[in-house]
Amino acid sequence: QAVLTQPSSLSASPGASASLTCTLRSGINVGTYRIYWYQQKPGSPPQYLLRYKSDSDKQQGSGVPSRFSGSKDASANAGILLISGLQSEDEADYYCMIWHSSSLVFGGGTKLTVL
Amino acid sequence: EVQLVESGGGLVQPGGSLRLSCAASGFTFSSYEMNWVRQAPGKGLEWVSYISSSGSTIYYADSVKGRFTISRDNAKNSLYLQMNSLRAEDTAVYYCARGNSGDYWGQGTLVTVSS
Repeated sequence: QAVLTQPSSLSASPGASASLTCTLRSGINVGTYRIYWYQQKPGSPPQYLLRYKSDSDKQQGSGVPSRFSGSKDASANAGILLISGLQSEDEADYYCMIWHSSSLVFGGGTKLTVL
Repeated sequence: EVQLVESGGGLVQPGGSLRLSCAASGFTFSSYEMNWVRQAPGKGLEWVSYISSSGSTIYYADSVKGRFTISRDNAKNSLYLQMNSLRAEDTAVYYCARGNSGDYWGQGTLVTVSS
C-alpha cells in the first residue's frame, strides 16, 4: 500500500469548490505530519502551493491566492487541499507530499479538470 | 528573484554516467537544504535525494541508493547529482527543489537512458 494515496482525477465546475484528498497509509497518523501541496501544469515544473499541519502550523506559498487552503480530516487520516472559486487556470495536476522516515514521499497526483 | 537552473541532462546508454548541476541564485544557498526530484514521462513525481545545508546529512531513495551521489558546493551556489550505472527506468526530467518544503523548483533537465 502506498504511503500517500490521491484520487487519480476530479472534475468540478467553474466557480465551485474542489476538495482534493491525500490519504495516509494506515499506521501513519496524519496528525503528526506537515502536508505539502503542489500544482503542476503541462510542460512546467511543480509549483509550491502551501503547507498544512494545523491551524497554528501552516504556510501559504509566495503569491498563492487565499482560495487555496489546507486542512485535515483526522477521521479519514487524510490531508485536504480546498480550492474555492474554481477558475479554468486551476486545471492542473496536484500532488501532496510528506517527509516520512528520512524520505520525501509524494502522492500519485490528482488531475483536476475544470469544466 | 529565486532561480534554480538545472543542466547536464542528455542521452546516455544503459550503464553510463551523467552529472547534473543545479545553479542557484537570488537567495543564500548555503542556508538551505536541497532536493533532487524526478518525473518520468507521463508519470508522477519521485523524490531522488536530499542534502542538508552544510552537506553533512544526505538521504537517497532506495531506487538510486548506491548508484547516485548528491553533493553541493556552497561557494559556487551549486548542487550536483552524479548518476552512475544508469538504467532505462532512470529516464526522467530531473528537478532541483529548494528546502524541505520544495518552495522553489528549477525548470528541470531531461535524462534519457537508451541504447
